[in-house]
Amino acid sequence: GEDVEQSLFLSVREGDSSVINCTYTDSSSTYLYWYKQEPGAGLQLLTYIFSNMDMKQDQRLTVLLNKKDKHLSLRIADTQTGDSAIYFCAERRSGGYQKVTFGTGTKLQVIP
Amino acid sequence: DAGVIQSPRHEVTEMGQEVTLRCKPISGHDYLFWYRQTMMRGLELLIYFNNNVPIDDSGMPEDRFSAKMPNASFSTLKIQPSEPRDSAVYFCASKDIANEKLFFGSGTQLSVL
Repeated sequence: GEDVEQSLFLSVREGDSSVINCTYTDSSSTYLYWYKQEPGAGLQLLTYIFSNMDMKQDQRLTVLLNKKDKHLSLRIADTQTGDSAIYFCAERRSGGYQKVTFGTGTKLQVIP
Repeated sequence: DAGVIQSPRHEVTEMGQEVTLRCKPISGHDYLFWYRQTMMRGLELLIYFNNNVPIDDSGMPEDRFSAKMPNASFSTLKIQPSEPRDSAVYFCASKDIANEKLFFGSGTQLSVL
């Protein structure tokens, strides 16, 4: 079945890099996502990676995928106070099934 | 487009009352999802629709919960009767088949006293 695990909390200093980690159990997972949730708001998609990729970079964001260990990470370079939010890892199987399963979320605190 | 619109933003009700949450998806999106977020259980998928037809309702907690999508631009999630353990933030999201991105509404904060 689907299960997505994340650590609950991460604190970094402004300007440092943040690395948020995630593990998933479903080997059928084809799409892996990172969503961001700011207080009082819905989730917003940051980026996603297809399972046949190892890495994806988008400006300050780098996603790394280790399929063997079923491990996904999100690196935020030059972390800013505006990056403070909850970050969710999520996965979806291939094919027509559209269910996206979310992790527990990692609260990122950026210290000025 | 204004995005996914949910109403109300906040709902406070008493145990036993009926609660109706509403959602207007983004025009042209084929899929609509209802999620529930709590501290204990995180973000759970309750049900999703494709072209107004329920596809997977295995996440609906029990018979007290029901969801409908009478047309492509409107969906409701109803709880009858409501219980304190239903207190949560309920999110509606939509997407189209050609895009992996889920668009979330701002959520409805439900408190059942």
